[in-house]
Amino acid sequence: DSGVTQTPKHLITATGQRVTLRCSPRSGDLSVYWYQQSLDQGLQFLIQYYNGEERAKGNILERFSAQQFPDLHSELNLSSLELGDSALYFCASSVRVGVGSGANVLTFGAGSRLTVL
Amino acid sequence: SQKIEQNSEALNIQEGKTATLTCNYTNYSPAYLQWYRQDPGRGPVFLLLIRENEKEKRKERLKVTFDTTLKQSLFHITASQPADSATYLCAPGGGNTPLVFGKGTRLSVIA
Repeated sequence: DSGVTQTPKHLITATGQRVTLRCSPRSGDLSVYWYQQSLDQGLQFLIQYYNGEERAKGNILERFSAQQFPDLHSELNLSSLELGDSALYFCASSVRVGVGSGANVLTFGAGSRLTVL
Repeated sequence: SQKIEQNSEALNIQEGKTATLTCNYTNYSPAYLQWYRQDPGRGPVFLLLIRENEKEKRKERLKVTFDTTLKQSLFHITASQPADSATYLCAPGGGNTPLVFGKGTRLSVIA
């Protein structure tokens, strides 16, 4: 158990629908990152939140949105789903390693597998 | 934009041999480089981080090198075992910008 909790583990839905994926970071971690992994694209960064504020945005579609709540859990909302949105969605939280500025090392959850039919 | 290339999609190696995986990156100069392991259907797991001023880092049977001139990292697993079979992801970075990952190399260690 990595300490990062994601629900649901599996989700099957139809095109045009909307789903919400949930993530709880490791205790004490303020940053949450969302990644999408499909077979042909590899692990793609979507969005990062830090202590409730959006920190960075990657290749996130306009149909997707996210937020981080005061208790630091995060939700990724996917709407108007298309077949191509079928993928594994990972959440990660980070801890800074080293003194000074340090480096962010990611701890990933087990992922949410989304299947759009 | 940042580009990360990992030498091959798949690598097969005999048990006991040394596996060497390559990661090349272009269009940026990261202060760190990280390697992660991913098993099928599971989240990536952090293995090693190396800083730009470190030439080499070791952890048990793992060794990572970081050549900032060549913009390349090599990841070695010595005395490889079937349990080392997994996909290994390279991620140059880890400072103030989110990590970008290579597509990975799928390593199979054959007994």
